[in-house]
Amino acid sequence: GAVVSQHPSRVICKSGTSVKIECRSLDFQATTMFWYRQFPKQSLMLMATSNEGSKATYEQGVEKDKFLINHASLTLSTLTVTSAHPEDSSFYICSARGPPANEKLFFGSGTQLSVL
Amino acid sequence: QKEVEQNSGPLSVPEGAIASLNCTYSDRGSQSFFWYRQYSGKSPELIMFIYSNGDKEDGRFTAQLNKASQYVSLLIRDSQPSDSATYLCAPRNDYKLSFGAGTTVTVRA
Repeated sequence: GAVVSQHPSRVICKSGTSVKIECRSLDFQATTMFWYRQFPKQSLMLMATSNEGSKATYEQGVEKDKFLINHASLTLSTLTVTSAHPEDSSFYICSARGPPANEKLFFGSGTQLSVL
Repeated sequence: QKEVEQNSGPLSVPEGAIASLNCTYSDRGSQSFFWYRQYSGKSPELIMFIYSNGDKEDGRFTAQLNKASQYVSLLIRDSQPSDSATYLCAPRNDYKLSFGAGTTVTVRA
C-alpha cells in the first residue's frame, strides 16, 4: 500500500520557538494532504487541508499565521508551528489522499510535540 | 450535536468474544465510512471501509452500514488481546474525514 512518512516522530522545544514537521508520500503523488491534531484521549481534529501549489484551507478556529502549511511539491507538505507555546503540545498527524487506483487516506506515523 | 458520535467505552470483552462498536453520524452527504484502529501514541491504521448499505466482512471484522439511520457499526469476532485499542469511526465526505472520539476496547485474556 501507499506509504506516508512523517518526521520527526517526537520533538521537544522551548516556548517561543518554531517547529517544522514534514510529511512525505513515498511512492505516490499526493495532491492533497491533511493535517490533524490530537490531544490526549480526544479524537483527531482536522486542522487544514493542504493542496499542492495553492494555499492551504484551514478549519474554523485554526490560526493560519500560527500553523504555516506549505505544500510545494506533489510529495511533500510541511507544517510549521510558529512561536510554540505549551498549549500547542499535542500529537500532530498528516494524511495523504492515495493515488487514483487506491483512493483511501494514508496516515503518517505522527509527531508528538512537547513545548516546555 | 457532534458530527460523529461513538460510545466512549471502555468496552471490556473476554478473549474470544465478539466486540460490538457503534457509530452515528450527522452528515447525510457522507459517501463512505472508515473504521480505524489506534494504539496509544500511534497514528490510526485503517481496518475496514464500507460504501454501501448492508454488511461487509473482512477476516474477523464485519462492518454494517445503514445510511437511512445514519448508523455504522463494527463487529470484531474472536477478539484477541492485540485488538485492545481505540477504534475510530470516520465518515468521509469528499476526502474529508470526520472522526468520532473513539471507543476504547480492552480484550481480557
